[in-house]
Amino acid sequence: AQSVTQPDIHITVSEGASLELRCNYSYGATPYLFWYVQSPGQGLQLLLKYFSGDTLVQGIKGFEAEFKRSQSSFNLRKPSVHWSDAAEYFCAVGSSNTGKLIFGQGTTLQVKP
Amino acid sequence: DVKVTQSSRYLVKRTGEKVFLECVQDMDHENMFWYRQDPGLGLRLIYFSYDVKMKEKGDIPEGYSVSREKKERFSLILESASTNQTSMYLCASRNLDRGNSNQPQHFGDGTRLSIL
Repeated sequence: AQSVTQPDIHITVSEGASLELRCNYSYGATPYLFWYVQSPGQGLQLLLKYFSGDTLVQGIKGFEAEFKRSQSSFNLRKPSVHWSDAAEYFCAVGSSNTGKLIFGQGTTLQVKP
Repeated sequence: DVKVTQSSRYLVKRTGEKVFLECVQDMDHENMFWYRQDPGLGLRLIYFSYDVKMKEKGDIPEGYSVSREKKERFSLILESASTNQTSMYLCASRNLDRGNSNQPQHFGDGTRLSIL
């Protein structure tokens, strides 16, 4: 069955520190992978997406993610976290044909001053 | 920019009421989706629509129905609201570009629905 796992429910990092949010997926075909961010009281905003090609993808707000097929992972990274990055982050895997997405449970990021 | 608008940010209804959640997108997108979001469960797909008058059940359709009479509008209907339908509801739309399949979903700001 198709699924997405985000192993960390909550992560706290200090402002200026590096960040890595983990995402593992199970998908029968070539996965289409996304990271979304949700600020409090808001909808989801697309950070980045991977479909094919270069396995390191760049997104908005200084985020990047690396697709590793051998590990079934698509981890999100940022070299230096800002206080405004505090939010909930969702990894998703989808079908290009139907557009349907399967979401992970989400990781809440807290940023310490 | 794509704009997905959900008619209400907050809504309080009573058990047994028929509830309508409305979603409108302004980019002529073919695909539209309704999710509910609950803590620890992420987003779960309720229904989706490939195009006007087309609908498909998602993972948790029980207790819900949808309507897509016009391309820009996708309505979620709770036929007889129950307390376990208290949740955040998110609508999304997606462009079906057959020449470029890597189209993401665009989300509205959500409707927080409380059923008393």
